[in-house]
Amino acid sequence: SAVISQKPSRDICQRGTSLTIQCQVDSQVTMMFWYRQQPGQSLTLIATANQGSEATYESGFVIDKFPISRPNLTFSTLTVSNMSPEDSSIYLCSVGTSSYEQYFGPGTRLTVT
Amino acid sequence: GENVEQHPSTLSVQEGDSAVIKCTYSDSASNYFPWYKQELGKRPQLIIDIRSNVGEKKDQRIAVTLNKTAKHFSLHITETQPEDSAVYFCATSTDSWGKLQFGAGTQVVVTP
Repeated sequence: SAVISQKPSRDICQRGTSLTIQCQVDSQVTMMFWYRQQPGQSLTLIATANQGSEATYESGFVIDKFPISRPNLTFSTLTVSNMSPEDSSIYLCSVGTSSYEQYFGPGTRLTVT
Repeated sequence: GENVEQHPSTLSVQEGDSAVIKCTYSDSASNYFPWYKQELGKRPQLIIDIRSNVGEKKDQRIAVTLNKTAKHFSLHITETQPEDSAVYFCATSTDSWGKLQFGAGTQVVVTP
């Protein structure tokens, strides 16, 4: 399976600021996704990162709050904008394969104070 | 949209016993059913999956069964070991490239 890395691994941010999370894959992949995992909770899909076009957001998530870029087939970024303490979560990118399997990056643990 | 219910939320078993986690789903178009294991502070890891044209799949001590008519699938862990302690998530998808809908998770604790 692909090797997936994320930067930063963790961060503590002030309310009202923004953080950009990077996801890098060691091979070209068609599908990349961004998930959020709030403390002690399950994973919730934020959006599908489409290469060369705007991301597809799930209900409850909007582009102004979570802008996503996907400049090529190995890289994507998620920005968490105008943060509040409720945004404190683990943010994970994942990559999908043509054989249904989906693999996750190590996650970015975000704390908003 | 799809709704995935997972039970139980916590499961304590003695080492060597079996553990079973069950998930039910609502969307009859779901055709892919993976299970993930997440240890504390780690990423979710795909441990086994099954597609809709298969009723059962086994990989060493873990197995997954699928009942499409009843819309439920289960994870079975036999001969549990302390290293099986983790949170397990079921998920569903409706297409091969598609997004996953996750269950709420099951905290499994295996006591020696």
